[in-house]
Amino acid sequence: AQSVTQLDSHVSVSEGTPVLLRCNYSSSYSPSLFWYVQHPNKGLQLLLKYTSAATLVKGINGFEAEFKKSETSFHLTKPSAHMSDAAEYFCVVIPFNNAGNMLTFGGGTRLMVKP
Amino acid sequence: KAGVTQTPRYLIKTRGQQVTLSCSPISGHRSVSWYQQTPGQGLQFLFEYFSETQRNKGNFPGRFSGRQFSNSRSEMNVSTLELGDSALYLCASSLGAGRAASGSNYNEQFFGPGTRLTVL
Repeated sequence: AQSVTQLDSHVSVSEGTPVLLRCNYSSSYSPSLFWYVQHPNKGLQLLLKYTSAATLVKGINGFEAEFKKSETSFHLTKPSAHMSDAAEYFCVVIPFNNAGNMLTFGGGTRLMVKP
Repeated sequence: KAGVTQTPRYLIKTRGQQVTLSCSPISGHRSVSWYQQTPGQGLQFLFEYFSETQRNKGNFPGRFSGRQFSNSRSEMNVSTLELGDSALYLCASSLGAGRAASGSNYNEQFFGPGTRLTVL
């Protein structure tokens, strides 16, 4: 079964410093991987997606992620954190053999941004 | 274009009761998926409906059921509520045609704000 593991449940950074949220996946096949963000009292929003095209994926709000097959990782980065980035972030996979929209979520990483 | 709407936003029930939650997808979207979010278990897939047919089902007991209507609106029902059913229930809609995750054909899922269910 395909799954994702988010290595940190909480990450705290200062405004203006880089952000790194780590995600490892387990899959026997080339997975489709995504990052979603959830702001308090709001629904989930897609940040970016990897679907076997370019390994470096750019998303919204300055976020990007790099697919590294050798390390089975899909870490999310941003060069400079903003206060509005404070939220919970989810690494997500769709099973290779799934014909529909069944998303499998990681445990989530809560990002805190200090002024 | 209106987003995904879920009603009600908040609900309080007691153990043993049943509850029905509603989701209206974005206009033109034919796939509706349901997820349960709890602090302990995180986000878990419940089921997906596409053109009124259940296309995928997660690992939840039979007390959890759903359906989709011809206008793509969906409802989920939980019978004989337990304390552990307290959660945020999220609905997501997408165009949903074909194999969603294939290359650039991924049909982005748009999430609603959720229904917060509290079971006392």
